[in-house]
Amino acid sequence: SQQGEEDPQALSIQEGENATMNCSYKTSINNLQWYRQNSGRGLVHLILIRSNEREKHSGRLRVTLDTSKKSSSLLITASRAADTASYFCATVVLNDYKLSFGAGTTVTVRA
Amino acid sequence: DAGITQSPRHKVTETGTPVTLRCHQTENHRYMYWYRQDPGHGLRLIHYSYGVKDTDKGEVSDGYSVSRSKTEDFLLTLESATSSQTSVYFCAISFHGGDSAYEQYFGPGTRLTVT
Repeated sequence: SQQGEEDPQALSIQEGENATMNCSYKTSINNLQWYRQNSGRGLVHLILIRSNEREKHSGRLRVTLDTSKKSSSLLITASRAADTASYFCATVVLNDYKLSFGAGTTVTVRA
Repeated sequence: DAGITQSPRHKVTETGTPVTLRCHQTENHRYMYWYRQDPGHGLRLIHYSYGVKDTDKGEVSDGYSVSRSKTEDFLLTLESATSSQTSVYFCAISFHGGDSAYEQYFGPGTRLTVT
């Protein structure tokens, strides 16, 4: 069964706006990762946040983690057409190294 | 793509035929994974390997087998393909050490259609 669940399933925004998507998970984790998948391509690792971290930034990406609520959010600021993609959260549970993926959020950025 | 290739990239096969997909890496990473991706399911782990000749099952392993005789190659075999195995298959690699915490690097995928 999937550990992570993303919300919303789909998101459509205007270029320049911010996009926020959320991920909830079920069991204690070692870390949580976000990936992007452009249409017809493999997944690309975006950012990793460890269980003892609360917030992390990478360029226009901001990730938060709330272990008490078992949830994470990914914020993409000042979106561009090139950000159109599906975004997946994935968790690594304690004492393991395999990833468990959610079903993803499809983001469409309109010009 | 981080030194990962998959072959073939596209394949159409008939029900009941055996199919082997190949994943090849040039990164010398220890861990390799096979996933399938279907609409509404995200990625689901089929099998994984934590070293040469060391493999284990994932959550959707029925109907699939794997082999890893060399660090760089991880083969996925559908012994007798069924229509339910029509999917896009992704290979991934990872390592652990230093600051790495098992982030994975993905191949371009193989689109398999079973008719």
